[in-house]
Amino acid sequence: DAGVTQSPTHLIKTRGQQVTLRCSPKSGHDTVSWYQQALGQGPQFIFQYYEEEERQRGNFPDRFSGHQFPNYSSELNVNALLLGDSALYLCASSLYGTGGDNEQFFGPGTRLTVL
Amino acid sequence: GESVGLHLPTLSVQEGDNSIINCAYSNSASDYFIWYKQESGKGPQFIIDIRSNMDKRQGQRVTVLLNKTVKHLSLQIAATQPGDSAVYFCAERSNFGNEKLTFGTGTRLTIIP
Repeated sequence: DAGVTQSPTHLIKTRGQQVTLRCSPKSGHDTVSWYQQALGQGPQFIFQYYEEEERQRGNFPDRFSGHQFPNYSSELNVNALLLGDSALYLCASSLYGTGGDNEQFFGPGTRLTVL
Repeated sequence: GESVGLHLPTLSVQEGDNSIINCAYSNSASDYFIWYKQESGKGPQFIIDIRSNMDKRQGQRVTVLLNKTVKHLSLQIAATQPGDSAVYFCAERSNFGNEKLTFGTGTRLTIIP
């Protein structure tokens, strides 16, 4: 049973560029959440996708956008990259609507460095 | 805004001893809490959770205590092992569906051989 997978593992971009990160959820899960983890900090919620729609969003600018595909996989897009976007981007999958006691399984993350 | 924070950024414990990691939360509406362990180069791994209608929950070598009066929770790890060395986060979530997780900064636990 495959867990949450993310690609690529590492990525280096320059300011102003655009980036796309990918996530495949754990088998049987239908919901994907994205988090940004700056060095030495806890993860910060970016947004969550279910049924191919953004269901909830954290305090992130519109430069951050996403998509969910019919197979439940998801992409995170960041436009006009800033130095401050350098972070570990984590994807978490879960099963929607299970009443709150719903463990979110995290992937290993994508390390994005903006130069 | 609401936040979940931790008292100590680092903690060193002798192998075999018990460790206690503390966490303070500020959102009085939070009623579900989770402890995660994050090893270097990996994503957070679920350890144990607790609902606000409980004050204690035990797992394998781990116990979570919740004190709603002072908005405090702790993670106790018994008989620590070298593999317990990691960063530990507490996280808070509301009680409905797949709400977002709000994480604290984390505590780095180092087990001394």
